[in-house]
Amino acid sequence: QITLKESGPALVKPTQTLTLTCTFSGFSLSTSGVGVGWIRQPPGGALEWLALIFWDANKRYSPSLSSRLSITKDTSENQVFLTMTNMDPVDTATYYCARYTSGYCTPYTCYSGWFDPWGQGTLVTVSS
Amino acid sequence: SSELTQDPVVSVALGQTVRITCQGDSLRSYDAIWYQQKPGQAPVVVIHDKNSRPSGIPDRFSGSSSGKTASLTITGAQAEDEADYYCSSRDINNNVPLFGGGTKLTVL
Repeated sequence: QITLKESGPALVKPTQTLTLTCTFSGFSLSTSGVGVGWIRQPPGGALEWLALIFWDANKRYSPSLSSRLSITKDTSENQVFLTMTNMDPVDTATYYCARYTSGYCTPYTCYSGWFDPWGQGTLVTVSS
Repeated sequence: SSELTQDPVVSVALGQTVRITCQGDSLRSYDAIWYQQKPGQAPVVVIHDKNSRPSGIPDRFSGSSSGKTASLTITGAQAEDEADYYCSSRDINNNVPLFGGGTKLTVL
């Protein structure tokens, strides 16, 4: 059974740096094609993808937030970390981590890749 | 960057068929992934690889696409299908994941 769980502060002040930890079990982040991603959702809002780290340590970031984000992993401890700098009240959201299965292309079509399963999420509020 | 557009609200009568759509240029090149999110819960993937369902997802859920539009069809909607549905694909400009704005499905 694959499980993921997010942890980190529930409250951060504006301008502070947020660090979240995703602790997972049931799979290895050294397996080819596997990644772990972070997605957030503001209260009552839509999902927004933030960052991905792959089994080979390649990283991808949301273009709109890339200057503020950093994703790292500790494969031996089954953990992935997300750092977001210069937090603002608009960053108030539930932050999810999820296992990512990489997409691929055939001669006829390309498959996107998907997040499954997801952690339960952790609500982060940015307020002074 | 690319965008994926979904109707914000869709309703369906109990037992009827409903189609939830997602539009975007990236869908001409990549398939759409569909997630279901119920209140207070994390999203769950219901369709991936164009029309594959993970184990445990009822076969009343199916996916299709044509051009820049992808669809999630629920044939014989049940009360428990009332949820938010998000499509996802790949941003063709940046080769990163992309989510649509979500559709709130109400089962009447």
